[in-house]
Amino acid sequence: KAGVTQTPRYLIKTRGQQVTLSCSPISGHRSVSWYQQTPGQGLQFLFEYFSETQRNKGNFPGRFSGRQFSNSRSEMNVSTLELGDSALYLCASSLAGGVGPDTQYFGPGTRLTVL
Amino acid sequence: ILNVEQSPQSLHVQEGDSTNFTCSFPSSNFYALHWYRWETAKSPEALFVMTLNGDEKKKGRISATLNTKEGYSYLYIKGSQPEDSATYLCASVGGTGNQFYFGTGTSLTVIP
Repeated sequence: KAGVTQTPRYLIKTRGQQVTLSCSPISGHRSVSWYQQTPGQGLQFLFEYFSETQRNKGNFPGRFSGRQFSNSRSEMNVSTLELGDSALYLCASSLAGGVGPDTQYFGPGTRLTVL
Repeated sequence: ILNVEQSPQSLHVQEGDSTNFTCSFPSSNFYALHWYRWETAKSPEALFVMTLNGDEKKKGRISATLNTKEGYSYLYIKGSQPEDSATYLCASVGGTGNQFYFGTGTSLTVIP
């Protein structure tokens, strides 16, 4: 079974621009979560999508948004980029079957650099 | 928001040494505790998921225990090898079971 894939792997943008990151979950997984990792910080939860609906949201400004498509693929968008948005963005997918604890499986991440 | 803490922040051990790390989490509204290993330039890899107080899980030389009443989990590595060098993350899951709260990780370096 193919793992979680993320595109692009690396991205360089300038302040004020916007960016869209893509995540394809493991086949059959219905939940996709997004995380931001900056130096010295743990994985900060951005949001989680399940069946095309945002189910949970972390404490990030409205410039960060996402969506999920009917095939469970997800995109994350950041508008009006700031220098502090430079980070590794990880997505993770899970079955979210609702029975027992769900393990999240991570993609390789997208390294975003904002100049 | 759940406050999950890990200690130590980093650790250097000699090959063959055994070591352990701690993950502390709020004991109220607990659902599950996950451990991940994250090697440089790779994706975080799931190691264990534990839900019950007193749970113990083992995978090769790595094992983990869980105390939900006092809110901590230990990860043990027996006879550390250079390939064990990685950052070890724990994540506490509360509430409805689908939001993970990660600690900042313990960075382990095993010196040959």
